[in-house]
Amino acid sequence: AQKITQTQPGMFVQEKEAVTLDCTYDTSDPSYGLFWYKQPSSGEMIFLIYQGSYDQQNATEGRYSLNFQKARKSANLVISASQLGDSAMYFCAMREGFGGTSYGKLTFGQGTILTVHP
Amino acid sequence: DAGVIQSPRHEVTEMGQEVTLRCKPISGHDYLFWYRQTMMRGLELLIYFNNNVPIDDSGMPEDRFSAKMPNASFSTLKIQPSEPRDSAVYFCASSLDRGLTEAFFGQGTRLTVV
Repeated sequence: AQKITQTQPGMFVQEKEAVTLDCTYDTSDPSYGLFWYKQPSSGEMIFLIYQGSYDQQNATEGRYSLNFQKARKSANLVISASQLGDSAMYFCAMREGFGGTSYGKLTFGQGTILTVHP
Repeated sequence: DAGVIQSPRHEVTEMGQEVTLRCKPISGHDYLFWYRQTMMRGLELLIYFNNNVPIDDSGMPEDRFSAKMPNASFSTLKIQPSEPRDSAVYFCASSLDRGLTEAFFGQGTRLTVV
């Protein structure tokens, strides 16, 4: 069974500093996808970044990058140059690929609340 | 496209009543997911469909919950009878069936059972 673990219930960062949000996962499938979503206080779920299990390079999207360490089964999100608007809940998620019994299943970690201080 | 559309946005009902939540996925998307979000349990996957067929309903909490997808453009999540512990935000999401693509979420339905 899939499992996503986010061990940081809350994180604080100073504006313009970088921050890393941790995520570890557990799966026996060779094919899977890893995602990060942002949920601001307004409640909507916003997709940020994706990493495939076979991707050789770490994914980047603007100020977001995913530090993918396959052997350690970790997929940490790095936000560079934090902004006040980055304050939100952040979820790590994994999607099961070929070889699993539940292809396409998308499950989420518990989330990390990020607070950016001015 | 208008995105994933959920209705109603807010629902307040009395314990014991039937509640039906509705979702219209993005046109052309083959996957549809139902999630429940609470402070205590986080974001739980209840059930998901591929091409209108339920693939995994192991997250459905009990027999009071049921979900259907009669066609590619509509899904319902029904709770009968509702209980106060069902109070939560229910999200619907959809995605393409083209590799492991991201899912797009609706705005959610905030359900309060009193």
